[in-house]
Amino acid sequence: EAGVTQSPTHLIKTRGQQATLRCSPISGHTSVYWYQQALGLGLQFLLWYDEGEERNRGNFPPRFSGRQFPNYSSELNVNALELEDSALYLCASSLIRDGYTFGSGTRLTVV
Amino acid sequence: AQSVTQLDSHVSVSEGTPVLLRCNYSSSYSPSLFWYVQHPNKGLQLLLKYTSAATLVKGINGFEAEFKKSETSFHLTKPSAHMSDAAEYFCALPSGGYNKLIFGAGTRLAVHP
Repeated sequence: EAGVTQSPTHLIKTRGQQATLRCSPISGHTSVYWYQQALGLGLQFLLWYDEGEERNRGNFPPRFSGRQFPNYSSELNVNALELEDSALYLCASSLIRDGYTFGSGTRLTVV
Repeated sequence: AQSVTQLDSHVSVSEGTPVLLRCNYSSSYSPSLFWYVQHPNKGLQLLLKYTSAATLVKGINGFEAEFKKSETSFHLTKPSAHMSDAAEYFCALPSGGYNKLIFGAGTRLAVHP
């Protein structure tokens, strides 16, 4: 069984640009979660998608957005990039109560 | 509200000695609890999970954890540390409704020869 896959593994963007990160969940998992892991800030919850809908959102500005496609894959978009957006972005998929399986992450660097 | 507290930010042990990583939780109901490990520049790997079955949970790589409701704890242990165990470890529990996973701040484990 394939795990959660994220692409790209590394992304370098200039301040003010937009970044798009992608996540494919484990087959059969309908929920996708996005987390930001910035240096010294721990794992911060960003977004939860389930059955194509945004179900919950963390304390992040609106320039962090995303969507979930009919095949349950998901995309995270970060607009108007700022230097402090540099972080490891982790995606997880889940069947409720069965645990959360994480991908290897996308390392976003904003210069 | 649910919360997770990892009591040590850094733990250092010698190879072959026991490992203890401490996690306390706060929850208004009996929660599920998870331990994840993160090696440098990698994603999170699930070590083990407690889902209200047996209170002693065995995970991968020789790790285990015991759920103690009276102490609101879910400490992670391993009898004998290996160099490859050096990593950051996170304790986590789902929020109400499973709409997100709440993480502790993490414990960095160093293993010395």
